[in-house]
Amino acid sequence: NAGVTQTPKFQVLKTGQSMTLQCAQDMNHEYMSWYRQDPGMGLRLIHYSVGAGITDQGEVPNGYNVSRSTTEDFPLRLLSAAPSQTSVYFCASSYYSSGITYEQYFGPGTRLTVT
Amino acid sequence: AQSVAQPEDQVNVAEGNPLTVKCTYSVSGNPYLFWYVQYPNRGLQFLLKYITGDNLVKGSYGFEAEFNKSQTSFHLKKPSALVSDSALYFCAVRVPSLTGGGNKLTFGTGTQLKVEL
Repeated sequence: NAGVTQTPKFQVLKTGQSMTLQCAQDMNHEYMSWYRQDPGMGLRLIHYSVGAGITDQGEVPNGYNVSRSTTEDFPLRLLSAAPSQTSVYFCASSYYSSGITYEQYFGPGTRLTVT
Repeated sequence: AQSVAQPEDQVNVAEGNPLTVKCTYSVSGNPYLFWYVQYPNRGLQFLLKYITGDNLVKGSYGFEAEFNKSQTSFHLKKPSALVSDSALYFCAVRVPSLTGGGNKLTFGTGTQLKVEL
């Protein structure tokens, strides 16, 4: 199993550009999520999904969109990049049953710089 | 609202000595508690979890954690530290809810563990 994969590993954008961060998992997990990691702030939840066709906002959703058309894929779209979105982005997935999620498996991350 | 506190930004310990990384939490309800480790330029790796049962939980790489409900703590421990344990450690909490909402996981700000020879 590849686990959780993310592309690209690094990305530099100019202010106002848009892009999509890709995330895929091969563990048949229903729950998937996106976090951003900033120094001294831990990980903050951006968006999450409990299954195909179902998404919801996390703690810091502004400026980001998600969709979930398949169980495997959960892309994160930056609509109009801003310097405040410079961060490391992690995708994660976990087993989900009866409304309960368990330990999450993380991808290797995407380091995004917005100039 | 749920929250997690890791009061130490950095913990230094000599190789071979016991280590403790502290975590306290605040939730309404019975928590699910997790520890993750992050090595440089890598994603987070799951170490161990407490859901119910024995308060002492054993995990990967010789780590263990003790759940203390009265002190609302979930400290990570290892009897004998290794230089290779040097990494960033995160505590996280979730309160399960059958009403859905994805059972959001709340992370602490992380503790950098440095193990020296």
